[in-house]
Amino acid sequence: AQSVTQLDSHVSVSEGTPVLLRCNYSSSYSPSLFWYVQHPNKGLQLLLKYTSAATLVKGINGFEAEFKKSETSFHLTKPSAHMSDAAEYFCVVSDGRTSYDKVIFGPGTSLSVIP
Amino acid sequence: DGGITQSPKYLFRKEGQNVTLSCEQNLNHDAMYWYRQDPGQGLRLIYYSQIVNDFQKGDIAEGYSVSREKKESFPLTVTSAQKNPTAFYLCASRDSPYGYTFGSGTRLTVV
Repeated sequence: AQSVTQLDSHVSVSEGTPVLLRCNYSSSYSPSLFWYVQHPNKGLQLLLKYTSAATLVKGINGFEAEFKKSETSFHLTKPSAHMSDAAEYFCVVSDGRTSYDKVIFGPGTSLSVIP
Repeated sequence: DGGITQSPKYLFRKEGQNVTLSCEQNLNHDAMYWYRQDPGQGLRLIYYSQIVNDFQKGDIAEGYSVSREKKESFPLTVTSAQKNPTAFYLCASRDSPYGYTFGSGTRLTVV
């Protein structure tokens, strides 16, 4: 069975410092993994995705994530936080290769950026 | 531009009323989904539809109903049987294995 753990419910960083949002997953098969961002009262926007190609995935807005199978992790990073990065971030796992496979959302990590 | 439109953005419901949330997509996606989001929690799947005239219950379907008469439309009805309907509702569609497209959400409040 699939599951997703986001190790921190809230992360606070200063503007200009690195961001690390942690995600661990369990999956019976080779998973597809995603990070989504949600700003207040908005829908979710796809940041990046891993689909069994390169293990280091680059996304939008300077974010990237590294798939580590041995650690079952898919942590999200950014070298330098910007005020506009303050939002909720969701790690998502999918076992399947079709558009009909169920996905599991992590509980989310709230990122605060301090000026 | 292609995307998903949810309406209304805010909705108020009196106790005992049914209300319907609209979700329309022009992406030509087969699969559509409804999620509920509560404060401090992740998304929970209410219903999903893989194809027109077919839909399946998700993890928290009780008190909700859906229809899928057209590919573009997947409305969600929150019935009076749903005892705690106040939440943020998100509609999504998916055509590839590689991620959802989300609408901007409807915030439902019981008054």
